[in-house]
Amino acid sequence: AQSVSQHNHHVILSEAASLELGCNYSYGGTVNLFWYVQYPGQHLQLLLKYFSGDPLVKGIKGFEAEFIKSKFSFNLRKPSVQWSDTAEYFCAVNAGGGADGLTFGKGTHLIIQP
Amino acid sequence: GAGVSQSPRYKVAKRGQDVALRCDPISGHVSLFWYQQALGQGPEFLTYFQNEAQLDKSGLPSDRFFAERPEGSVSTLKIQRTQQEDSAVYLCASSPRGASSYNEQFFGPGTRLTVL
Repeated sequence: AQSVSQHNHHVILSEAASLELGCNYSYGGTVNLFWYVQYPGQHLQLLLKYFSGDPLVKGIKGFEAEFIKSKFSFNLRKPSVQWSDTAEYFCAVNAGGGADGLTFGKGTHLIIQP
Repeated sequence: GAGVSQSPRYKVAKRGQDVALRCDPISGHVSLFWYQQALGQGPEFLTYFQNEAQLDKSGLPSDRFFAERPEGSVSTLKIQRTQQEDSAVYLCASSPRGASSYNEQFFGPGTRLTVL
């Protein structure tokens, strides 16, 4: 069975600070990896995804993530955060091949102070 | 175009009542997923449909939970004899293709169920 671990449950940063949210997964086979974001009062939206190829993937709003297979990690990064990045961030994994539901981490609540 | 819609958005039930939660996926989407999200947790997979076929129901927590998608579009998640531990947000997601290749899941706003 798959599992996802997000290391930070609450993160508070000031605007313009750099961001890195940790995500580790447990699964022995090929995986698809995702970061979803949930802004206050809104539904889950896809931020970025990794299926194969270049392990550095770029998503919307200046976010990027790097898949490091040897570390079973898929950390999310942004060089300079904005107040509008305040949201809940979820890392998720799905077994390669695609029919399975997503396995999510518990989420990281990110607060950006102006 | 419309996204995934769910109704009702909020549901309060007395313990022991039956509830039915509806999901309208994006038109033409083949795959439909249900998730349960408890307070402070990430969503947890419940069940998956490809068209009208329920291909995976391994995440349903008990036989009180039942899902259907009889015509391959709208889906209903039914919970019988609700218990307090069923209180959660129930999320529906759809994706355009089936199991042959992975594709993005689009999520609805969820139904917040509170069991008193």
